[in-house]
Amino acid sequence: EPEVTQTPSHQVTQMGQEVILRCVPISNHLYFYWYRQILGQKVEFLVSFYNNEISEKSEIFDDQFSVERPDGSNFTLKIRSTKLEDSAMYFCASDVGRTGGFQPQHFGDGTRLSIL
Amino acid sequence: AQSVTQLDSQVPVFEEAPVELRCNYSSSVSVYLFWYVQYPNQGLQLLLKYLSGSTLVKGINGFEAEFNKSQTSFHLRKPSVHISDTAEYFCAVTRTSGGSYIPTFGRGTSLIVHP
Repeated sequence: EPEVTQTPSHQVTQMGQEVILRCVPISNHLYFYWYRQILGQKVEFLVSFYNNEISEKSEIFDDQFSVERPDGSNFTLKIRSTKLEDSAMYFCASDVGRTGGFQPQHFGDGTRLSIL
Repeated sequence: AQSVTQLDSQVPVFEEAPVELRCNYSSSVSVYLFWYVQYPNQGLQLLLKYLSGSTLVKGINGFEAEFNKSQTSFHLRKPSVHISDTAEYFCAVTRTSGGSYIPTFGRGTSLIVHP
């Protein structure tokens, strides 16, 4: 069964540095998402992406964050000038959208981001 | 606005015992409700969903949940758990957003099955 893959599994970065988290969604999926889970807290929606543009973003997704689909397969989350509070597990997800009825989002295994 | 409350952060249970993981939600619009499971070092996997119709929904791995509109609950149950059910379970209420769905998750309940 096709999977959403995320790299790296663990990223350690110095505070103030930029970090790029990478995701390869399932090939026939149209919608792509990033979520964040701070240790011990709930999974939070960051952003959804469709047709090469942001479809919706949450209050968390401020100017520090950006997403990009640089080619036909990768979907990236860039965090500029990282802060200690950006330390979290970041999940990528993808789905085909609502056309034809409900289809679940498929999640990757996550990237654990540790800011020092 | 939507929100989900999972009343128990951790539920320990012995193998082959029944279990119920509680979930209450609030939403100002029609809801779609979900339970996801997260095994260690893995992403979230859909366990079951309620979109409409029968209030008792069955999912994978022998789990089921009942939608109770009057009590705004969507509790997850399994009559007999296995060691392999040890995982984090997330309840979610989902809204539509353009051509997709956006879930709002609860804080999660850690199910710990002891031999």
